[in-house]
Amino acid sequence: EEQLLESGGDLVQPGGSLRLSCAASGFMFGEHAMSWVRQAPGKGLEWVSSINHSGGNSYFADSVKGRFTISRDNAKNTVILQMNSLRVDDTAVYFCAKVPAPIVGVTTYFQQWGQGTLVTVSS
Amino acid sequence: SYEVTQPPSVSVSPGQTARITCSGDGLPKRYANWYQQKSGQAPVLVIYKDSERPSGIPERFSGSSSGTTVTLTITAVQAEDEADYYCQSADSSGTLVFGGGTKLTV
Repeated sequence: EEQLLESGGDLVQPGGSLRLSCAASGFMFGEHAMSWVRQAPGKGLEWVSSINHSGGNSYFADSVKGRFTISRDNAKNTVILQMNSLRVDDTAVYFCAKVPAPIVGVTTYFQQWGQGTLVTVSS
Repeated sequence: SYEVTQPPSVSVSPGQTARITCSGDGLPKRYANWYQQKSGQAPVLVIYKDSERPSGIPERFSGSSSGTTVTLTITAVQAEDEADYYCQSADSSGTLVFGGGTKLTV
């Protein structure tokens, strides 16, 4: 059974940093691009970032560009979202999602989702 | 920037057909995908590449595309279909986008 398990969510002050992890199991992790999607309380889904299967290419929403980085360790079946210079409006549940292809492009969609981890940015 | 637009809400009675639209100038050249999200749960993919249905998704869920609008159709709606529905698309630069979501009330 395919599983995605996010961790690392916490309460952090504005300007702080946080590192989210997503542990994958049940599929060939190294053959799939991966993504992060977030959902602020009571709001809709917002794509945050994606990374190709090899880690060679990554993509970011304008709202997080320059503050967030994404990486992956295919030996450990893990994808990481490093979040710096956090703002109050980064408060959200962050979902990890599997892309059913090795690269991100016009056909990209999210085939499998984790249950999410809550990030709260507040003083 | 690339955007897609959905109606905030759709309401139907059980057994009726629900149609949820998603509009965007780029849609004729890009696929749309649909997700169902029930309260407190993670999203679930219900339609991909405009009209493909993943295994395990009931046949009453279908998708279609015409020009700048894609449509998620749910026939013979059941109470369990009450949820938020999101369309999603992508461009060749790797930018992904979600619509604002449509709350389906049954």
